[in-house]
Amino acid sequence: QVQLQESGPGLVKPSETLSLTCSVSGASVSSGSHYWIWIRQPPGQGLEWIGETYNSGSTKYNPSLKSRISVSVDTSKNHFSLTLSSVTAADTAVYYCVTSFESHGVTRNYWGQGTLVTISS
Amino acid sequence: EIVLTQSPGILSLSPGERATLSCRASQSVTYNSLGWFQQRPGQAPRLLIYAASSRASGIPDRFSGSGSGTDFTLTISRLEPEDFAVYYCQEYSSSWNTFGQGTKLEIK
Repeated sequence: QVQLQESGPGLVKPSETLSLTCSVSGASVSSGSHYWIWIRQPPGQGLEWIGETYNSGSTKYNPSLKSRISVSVDTSKNHFSLTLSSVTAADTAVYYCVTSFESHGVTRNYWGQGTLVTISS
Repeated sequence: EIVLTQSPGILSLSPGERATLSCRASQSVTYNSLGWFQQRPGQAPRLLIYAASSRASGIPDRFSGSGSGTDFTLTISRLEPEDFAVYYCQEYSSSWNTFGQGTKLEIK
């Protein structure tokens, strides 16, 4: 069973950089068949896809965030990370890490429980 | 950029009824690369349907997806109490992925 767990600061000051980590168990972040994804949800609002890494290093980012974000994997720790620079109050959200892959012809999708990050001085 | 528009915004139905949720794309979604997610209050979303019509693992068969091109539908054949939640569609065919704004399915 694949399990994901987000970790990082719950409070970040405006203009600083947000860094989150997603610890993975039951799968390897070095797998070329998995997508490692970040999604966020501002309080009371809908889902926003942030970006993903896949195929051992390829990335795809939301163009509205592209200049500020980076998604990467750390194979030595079996986790993947999100960094978001120059944050503002609009970046306050629950951040989810997700993995998606195909197994035996079926797409499987696993989510972390989410972590609330508040941007405030 | 593909924009997904879900309708209705709120759907009020009773347990046992049939629910039909719509997701319309601003341009054609290639390879039917569209999924549906359910989010219950206080929980992470979960994948219900992928590739427009394939049920994810462990999803009851009362959930079904259909459509192609720009028009997609999620149908719940007979509503159970646990089905009242928010539903999102997501496309993953383009250079980046997008979500619809969501449909809230509430108890009438």
